[in-house]
Amino acid sequence: GDSVTQMEGPVTLSEEAFLTINCTYTATGYPSLFWYVQYPGEGLQLLLKATKADDKGSNKGFEATYRKETTSFHLEKGSVQVSDSAVYFCALSDPGTASKLTFGTGTRLQVML
Amino acid sequence: DTAVSQTPKYLVTQMGNDKSIKCEQNLGHDTMYWYKQDSKKFLKIMFSYNNKELIINETVPNRFSPKSPDKAHLNLHINSLELGDSAVYFCASSRADNQPQHFGDGTRLSIL
Repeated sequence: GDSVTQMEGPVTLSEEAFLTINCTYTATGYPSLFWYVQYPGEGLQLLLKATKADDKGSNKGFEATYRKETTSFHLEKGSVQVSDSAVYFCALSDPGTASKLTFGTGTRLQVML
Repeated sequence: DTAVSQTPKYLVTQMGNDKSIKCEQNLGHDTMYWYKQDSKKFLKIMFSYNNKELIINETVPNRFSPKSPDKAHLNLHINSLELGDSAVYFCASSRADNQPQHFGDGTRLSIL
């Protein structure tokens, strides 16, 4: 079945540091890939998405590229801010599964001044 | 102008009780979902409805019964609550297959 593997957290960085959160996936079809962010006490918000190989999703300085050859969708940001502190979820939606999202375990990011 | 709204935000109740969580979306989406997030933040799909029709039922105990009176609403009723039901329950909606899902703020259910 489908699965998503994320690097374990928490990830603690200083403000303006470079961020990478690794995500790899297993899927039977050609999935769409997503990053969602959950701020403390809130629901999930879509951060970015990519629907086919080599697509790059980007939003708010975050980027991720759909790599079919390595089945990866790593999240990156060049310079993190304290306000980026949250839990980040990688997810996939496989066309053969009625659009359900399969999530990774989430990675908590803490950015310090 | 909340897109996906859930009520209540917090629900504290005793084992054995029956409770409901309501969800409404004003985005005009055809598909709605319920997810469960456990204490370790792991999120798992429970149900999906498309135009009031059940599409996904992911081996959820039959104490959980979703009901969709129309395509803008998907309510979750839980009978005979157990300690293991304590979690945050998220409602979501999407326009079509593989489109991004929009999430509500969650309902934190605590069983005493």
